[in-house]
This record gives sequence, structure tokens and C-alpha cells, in this order.
Amino acid sequence: SQTIHQWPATLVQPVGSPLSLECTVEGTSNPNLYWYRQAAGRGLQLLFYSVGIGQISSEVPQNLSASRPQDRQFILSSKKLLLSDSGFYLCAWSRAASGTDTQYFGPGTRLTVL
Amino acid sequence: AQKITQTQPGMFVQEKEAVTLDCTYDTSDPSYGLFWYKQPSSGEMIFLIYQGSYDQQNATEGRYSLNFQKARKSANLVISASQLGDSAMYFCAMREGPEGGNQFYFGTGTSLTVIP
Repeated sequence: SQTIHQWPATLVQPVGSPLSLECTVEGTSNPNLYWYRQAAGRGLQLLFYSVGIGQISSEVPQNLSASRPQDRQFILSSKKLLLSDSGFYLCAWSRAASGTDTQYFGPGTRLTVL
Repeated sequence: AQKITQTQPGMFVQEKEAVTLDCTYDTSDPSYGLFWYKQPSSGEMIFLIYQGSYDQQNATEGRYSLNFQKARKSANLVISASQLGDSAMYFCAMREGPEGGNQFYFGTGTSLTVIP
């Protein structure tokens, strides 16, 4: 069976500090990978998605970046955090083969920027 | 135009009653999938149910069923025999076929509160 991991679970960072959130998927190969952000009480905002190693599509221009160094690893980064980066970050995966395959989410990282 | 619209920010239901959460979608792709997710206060997104655009019958998963009305472009979630543990945010989502890319589109969610 497939599992998706995210860490850390919670993070408190000062403004201007760097960020690195990691997501890994087990039990599948060549998945589509996604990063979402959810502000408190709001819906999901797609930040990045990836269909393969080194292939990243950005949906929202901002001070965040994503990388996919390995097939089942997806990293969200920032060089300098802003207050507005606070939120709940969710990683997700889906099979690449079919357009109607389900998307499965990791447990999320709750980021607070002070 | 919004791809997914959920018009009910909040809903209340009595325990053991049924409740319908509304979702309408917008796509010109003949092949698409519709999904419902539950997000409890812990934050994790839990996949509930899936309906494919070519499926002839409405999807069901235990107490969850999806009322799929293709002509109306609606995909309402029905929860039968509500339980206190059903209190959560519920998100409707859509993924278009291969030509539509790999994105999932989410609605803004409905907060469901089950009253004892």
C-alpha cells in the first residue's frame, strides 16, 4: 500500500529565516506530486505540482520554490519567510496514468511565521 | 469562472439525520473525476468518495453517497445517519482528463456540525 509522509509536523520560524519542508511517498513509482497551502479557515491553494524528477510547475508566484530531487521526494523551500507564509502545508500524490485518479494527502505541516 | 463551487459555508445537522452538501462544477472536458474529502480539526485531508464522469451509477461508500447530476453539473455529497465524528470541513474537488492536465481543483469547503 502507498503512504505519504511529511515533516516536520509543526514549525515556528522567524520572519526572514529559510524554510525546508519535505514530503516522501512510499509504495508507488512516478507519482504526480503536489504542494498546497491552506490559510486558517480557508480552502486549498495549489502552490506547485510535479509530474517527474526535476519537473516543477508553479501556480502562484511568490517567495516559495519546490524541487523534486528523487522520484518520490518533493521539497518546498524558501530563502526568506514572510508573515504571509504562515499556514497549513499539505503534500499530496496521485497516479500519473489516469486523469481521474484520486489524490491522497499527507498529514500536513503547520507553519507559523513570527 | 470557478471550476468548483460550494455555496454552503456552514451546515448543521442533527445526529442520526441525513445531510446533503452541495457542489457544482464547471468543465468542458468530457472525461473528469469528482472527489469529496473530509478535513477534521486535526487537518488531514481524508478521501471519501469518487465519481467518474462516465460512471452510470452514483458512487456510494458506506454512509457516503454522491448524487451525480451530469446535466446540472452537480455532485452533491449525501451523508446518511450523521454521527458526531462527521463534524468537519468537507471539500469537493475535480480533476479533468489527461488533456486537462494534472491539476485538482478544490472548492472553498463546507463546515459541517453535527448536533447531539
